[in-house]
Amino acid sequence: GDSVTQMEGPVTLSEEAFLTINCTYTATGYPSLFWYVQYPGEGLQLLLKATKADDKGSNKGFEATYRKETTSFHLEKGSVQVSDSAVYFCALRDAGGTSYGKLTFGQGTILTVHP
Amino acid sequence: DGGITQSPKYLFRKEGQNVTLSCEQNLNHDAMYWYRQDPGQGLRLIYYSQIVNDFQKGDIAEGYSVSREKKESFPLTVTSAQKNPTAFYLCASSILTGTTDTQYFGPGTRLTVL
Repeated sequence: GDSVTQMEGPVTLSEEAFLTINCTYTATGYPSLFWYVQYPGEGLQLLLKATKADDKGSNKGFEATYRKETTSFHLEKGSVQVSDSAVYFCALRDAGGTSYGKLTFGQGTILTVHP
Repeated sequence: DGGITQSPKYLFRKEGQNVTLSCEQNLNHDAMYWYRQDPGQGLRLIYYSQIVNDFQKGDIAEGYSVSREKKESFPLTVTSAQKNPTAFYLCASSILTGTTDTQYFGPGTRLTVL
């Protein structure tokens, strides 16, 4: 079945540091890939997405490239801010088989950015 | 403003009671979903609905029930049969269930069983 594996956290960085959160996946079909962000006590917000191989999703300085050859979708940001502190979820959506278009999530990575 | 609303934000329940969580969307989306989030874990799908008067079980439907009488509304009932109901519940919607369609999430309801 489909699965998503994220690097274990928590991740703690200083402001303006470079961020990478690794995400790899397994899927039976041709999934779309997503990064969602969750701030404390809130729901999930879509951060970016990519729908086919070699697509790059980007938003608010964050980027991720859909790499089919390595089945990866790593999240990067060149200079993090304190306001980026949140939980980040990698997810895939695969319409193949019995997945009925559901999102399959990684376990989430907690990011804390210090001033 | 278009979006998804969930109520209440916090809910406390005694063991043996059924409770219903509200989810409303004004995005004109056909598909709606309920997920459960536990600490340190990703989200798991409880139920989903692709169209009014139709819904399907997700991965962890036992102890839950839903209805979809209106396009805008998809309430979730947590029954007394759910053995470990304390969790954060998130409702989502999307235009359709296609692979590329983005799911948008509500703010969530935190349910605590006393």
